Amino acid sequence: KQEVTQIPAALSVPEGENLVLNCSFTDSAIYNLQWFRQDPGKGLTSLLLIQSSQREQTSGRLNASLDKSSGRSTLYIAASQPGDSATYLCAVSPTNAGGTSYGKLTFGQGTILTVHP
Amino acid sequence: ETGVTQSPTHLIKTRGQQVTLRCSSQSGHNTVSWYQQALGQGPQFIFQYYREEKNGRGNFPPRFSGLQFPNYSSELNVNALELDDSALYLCASSLLPSSYEQYFGPGTRLTVT
Repeated sequence: KQEVTQIPAALSVPEGENLVLNCSFTDSAIYNLQWFRQDPGKGLTSLLLIQSSQREQTSGRLNASLDKSSGRSTLYIAASQPGDSATYLCAVSPTNAGGTSYGKLTFGQGTILTVHP
Repeated sequence: ETGVTQSPTHLIKTRGQQVTLRCSSQSGHNTVSWYQQALGQGPQFIFQYYREEKNGRGNFPPRFSGLQFPNYSSELNVNALELDDSALYLCASSLLPSSYEQYFGPGTRLTVT
């Protein structure tokens, strides 16, 4: 059974700091890994998706890496801003017997990020 | 291009009642997945529909059921509501098999009293 763990559970940083959020998963037979952002009481916004054949993806100040062999992904946020305050979730999608995926996501519990001015 | 929409936004029900939640997928998407997110937890997969057929189910009891319609919108039905069913219910749409990226709606907050 796939289990996803995110560390730390909460993080508080001053504005301008670079930071790293960690995600680990127990089963390396994944099809892809997706990072999401969730504002309080809201739905999820997709930030980055990394296919299992890729090692990283970048979007603006965000960079996500994937190391399947060690079962780890990191989300790097550069020059953090108060608007980055949210819960960040990582989720993995398993590979099925046919080598593709049903797209079912298994989520971690999230990292609550607070960036203070 | 319209995003994923869900209705209603909030809902309060009494234990033992039944509820229907609705989801309209993003334009052009053929797959809808439903997730339950309890407070302070990550979302848990309930089930997925691909082109009107169930395409996988998580560890939820049979009183959680669903449908997908020809226009790819979807319903989640929960019978015999329990207090633990109180959660944010999220639906996500995607376009299988060409893309597995999932796009989430804003969710329906269900409170069971």
